[in-house]
Amino acid sequence: EAQVTQNPRYLITVTGKKLTVTCSQNMNHEYMSWYRQDPGLGLRQIYYSMNVEVTDKGDVPEGYKVSRKEKRNFPLILESPSPNQTSLYFCASSFSGQSTDTQYFGPGTRLTVL
Amino acid sequence: QKEVEQDPGPLSVPEGAIVSLNCTYSNSAFQYFMWYRQYSRKGPELLMYTYSSGNKEDGRFTAQVDKSSKYISLFIRDSQPSDSATYLCAMILSGNTGKLIFGQGTTLQVKP
Repeated sequence: EAQVTQNPRYLITVTGKKLTVTCSQNMNHEYMSWYRQDPGLGLRQIYYSMNVEVTDKGDVPEGYKVSRKEKRNFPLILESPSPNQTSLYFCASSFSGQSTDTQYFGPGTRLTVL
Repeated sequence: QKEVEQDPGPLSVPEGAIVSLNCTYSNSAFQYFMWYRQYSRKGPELLMYTYSSGNKEDGRFTAQVDKSSKYISLFIRDSQPSDSATYLCAMILSGNTGKLIFGQGTTLQVKP
């Protein structure tokens, strides 16, 4: 089954404790992206990657890091999480990142930073 | 001012009703317009995709784009309880950054 998977689905952590949220897709997509979803703000892009070793900032990159060492994986790293990073996170992928490509979203990771 | 405005609702309708969901936007450079449906505890899934002004129909769903007014709509005919979800409009500029700009989402409940 073609899908985007994320782990963990739920995470509660404390301020300053480094964490990684994994994202993997099995569709051989070149483009991958991370969004966060907050009440009243909708989904906002954090980082995106056009291909292996190519990443760029989205609208809200502060406090996040990403890496793209393999085509299928695009982990989101929070080096020192803070409470304002409490949010629902979605990974997405598409064939090439062109405007006409359909983006497929993962099931989401709900993160709480205490 | 947000680039894309969408009334968050909630919107509650009886089964069988016609539902109208709307978004306005400020950037006239947006070229592509989408509607995503998001069920509780799930990721968004693409429902409709349109490029130009006009209507696009897919079963019970019709997407409408009016670029002159910077206004897009999604109509759901003969609404069903299974349509209960949050509906997100999204827009994208032409090019290859892939960045979707989302509205806040409208929560819809269809009551049996």
